Amino acid sequence: DSGVTQTPKHLITATGQRVTLRCSPRSGDLSVYWYQQSLDQGLQFLIQYYNGEERAKGNILERFSAQQFPDLHSELNLSSLELGDSALYFCASSVADEQFFGPGTRLTVL
Amino acid sequence: AQSVAQPEDQVNVAEGNPLTVKCTYSVSGNPYLFWYVQYPNRGLQFLLKYITGDNLVKGSYGFEAEFNKSQTSFHLKKPSALVSDSALYFCAVRGLSGNTPLVFGKGTRLSVIA
Repeated sequence: DSGVTQTPKHLITATGQRVTLRCSPRSGDLSVYWYQQSLDQGLQFLIQYYNGEERAKGNILERFSAQQFPDLHSELNLSSLELGDSALYFCASSVADEQFFGPGTRLTVL
Repeated sequence: AQSVAQPEDQVNVAEGNPLTVKCTYSVSGNPYLFWYVQYPNRGLQFLLKYITGDNLVKGSYGFEAEFNKSQTSFHLKKPSALVSDSALYFCAVRGLSGNTPLVFGKGTRLSVIA
C-alpha cells in the first residue's frame, strides 16, 4: 500500500458528461501529480500541484482541470467527455525524488 | 526535452533464468532515472532509482539496474526470475530538481514462464 488513495476505483459514464476524480496524497507529501494511462498513449503526465499551487502542466486537455485543496487532497475534473478519454487515471504524491502512486481510477466513457 | 525508450514491448524468460529489461534515455544534463512495476489492476510501484553514485543500483524484490553513461542506458536486471515477476515495467526520467513530473517509457511486459 503506497499510502495514496484514489476514489472512485471505477467510473462508467456517457459522452458529454462531467466527472470528478479524487486523490488523497500520503501524509506530509505536498506534491500531487496526475497521470493518464491509455493503450495508445501510454503513461502521460497531466498536471502537478505543489502545496495548493499549480506547478507544472503536461498534456492536459482544456476540458480537464484540477485543483489541490488546503488539506492537500486533489481533484481532477474531466468535462465534455469523449470516448477517447477512457483510460486509467493515476494520482501520485512525492516529497522529493520518489513518487508514490495510487491504485488509479478506471474511467470508461460509453 | 527528456525522454526514455523501452525498445521491447514484451520480454519472455524462463523461471530461474536471468532477466533484463532494456531502457535508454535522452536528457540534457545529469539523468535522474527510475524503474516502476505495474501488476494487473494495480498502481505503479517504485523499484529503484539512480540519482548519482554507484552505477549498479539495487532495488526492491531482488531487482537491480545498471547505469551506463556512455551507452545512455539504464537496464533493469534480476539474476533469477520468478513467475511472480510477470508484470508491466516502466522506465522513467525526471527533471533536474525534485518534485518534478516523471516522463515514462512505453513499458515492457515481462512474462516469466514456469
